Amino acid sequence: QQQVKQSPQSLIVQKGGISIINCAYENTAFDYFPWYQQFPGKGPALLIAIRPDVSEKKEGRFTISFNKSAKQFSLHIMDSQPGDSATYFCAASSAGNNRKLIWGLGTSLAVNP
Amino acid sequence: NAGVTQTPKFRVLKTGQSMTLLCAQDMNHEYMYWYRQDPGMGLRLIHYSVGEGTTAKGEVPDGYNVSRLKKQNFLLGLESAAPSQTSVYFCASGTPMGRYEQYFGPGTRLTVT
Repeated sequence: QQQVKQSPQSLIVQKGGISIINCAYENTAFDYFPWYQQFPGKGPALLIAIRPDVSEKKEGRFTISFNKSAKQFSLHIMDSQPGDSATYFCAASSAGNNRKLIWGLGTSLAVNP
Repeated sequence: NAGVTQTPKFRVLKTGQSMTLLCAQDMNHEYMYWYRQDPGMGLRLIHYSVGEGTTAKGEVPDGYNVSRLKKQNFLLGLESAAPSQTSVYFCASGTPMGRYEQYFGPGTRLTVT
């Protein structure tokens, strides 16, 4: 049973466009929602994270929007660049689960120049 | 400060052979994790450790064993390799405090023939 559902599986965006990746979760005990970025041949790296007490967090061109009632959160990449081409994973965790991350299946983003 | 390192980077095994993957971190992190990554299946947790001398099963532990004799090292063992264990293996470390960030190593690509 997958507790974090991520969509779309793949995404193609033109340079300068907005990339949007969505995730939905089931466990209301989750209290931390990170996004990880993975380039080919590398390990994932934390990109941005949010806690459920805020509805939005922005870091540069990357924004997380969080809807607690709908149990959904999304990553928006503004002014997408070819260097943003990577696989993006959403995840969720809770203190009661030893901070283990429950991962989405990933979204492969390609930004065309 | 090397972060998280993994040894080896690549390995080819024959069915039934055994091997040990080594993960080392120099960030004094309490928590360490072993994941496997397969196409379309995201990151799946094999085993994890919340401290020196402790280990616990993750989502897909069968066929693997782990040990954490020293805080900085986390070993993943395959006693009798099977083709189904062909994958990219990632080690990660983290702390239960603060940003809860998991820091990943560069991965080990294992092929079992």
